[in-house]
Amino acid sequence: KNEVEQSPQNLTAQEGEFITINCSYSVGISALHWLQQHPGGGIVSLFMLSSGKKKHGRLIATINIQEKHSSLHITASHPRDSAVYICAVIFYNTDKLIFGTGTRLQVFP
Amino acid sequence: KAGVTQTPRYLIKTRGQQVTLSCSPISGHRSVSWYQQTPGQGLQFLFEYFSETQRNKGNFPGRFSGRQFSNSRSEMNVSTLELGDSALYLCASSSASGTGGLAGLNEQFFGPGTRLTVL
Repeated sequence: KNEVEQSPQNLTAQEGEFITINCSYSVGISALHWLQQHPGGGIVSLFMLSSGKKKHGRLIATINIQEKHSSLHITASHPRDSAVYICAVIFYNTDKLIFGTGTRLQVFP
Repeated sequence: KAGVTQTPRYLIKTRGQQVTLSCSPISGHRSVSWYQQTPGQGLQFLFEYFSETQRNKGNFPGRFSGRQFSNSRSEMNVSTLELGDSALYLCASSSASGTGGLAGLNEQFFGPGTRLTVL
């Protein structure tokens, strides 16, 4: 069964903390996306990756194909990072994006 | 470049009615995907259009349909609305090509969404 699991579901942090959000999936994938959704609904694509590691500013995404696991790290977190972070994958055996349930992050000053 | 636009932003309908939502992709993008987001089911893929052809479809009933025009603008239609159709409907465009470049294999640019409430 094609499943995507994210952890934790909710995360609170103090400004400046290092944050890690995890995404695990059940079978082989073609690509994995990390998305950010702010209150009000707008979604921004943060990363798309199929191997290795990508970095953009304070955000780092890694993926381990063998372990079927990806992590999104936020260094020096800031209140403006407060959002829902969603992992989405395309499994080899389907052409459709399957989404995780999201991780709600709140960063307090 | 202008981003993805969706109209209307908010919509209230009653059960049994039908609704049409519109999405204008980023200029030059020929792939448009539609997604439904509800508190219970989260984000779910509806369908993808490329060059006026539906090339991928999620697990939704036939009441959900869509189309794409020659200028890449897309519409989705939901007929015989049910209470459970209340959701945020998002569209996304990508630079996916026609040669097997499925939308999910390319960066997706999302619109602000249309919030549909069915009473």
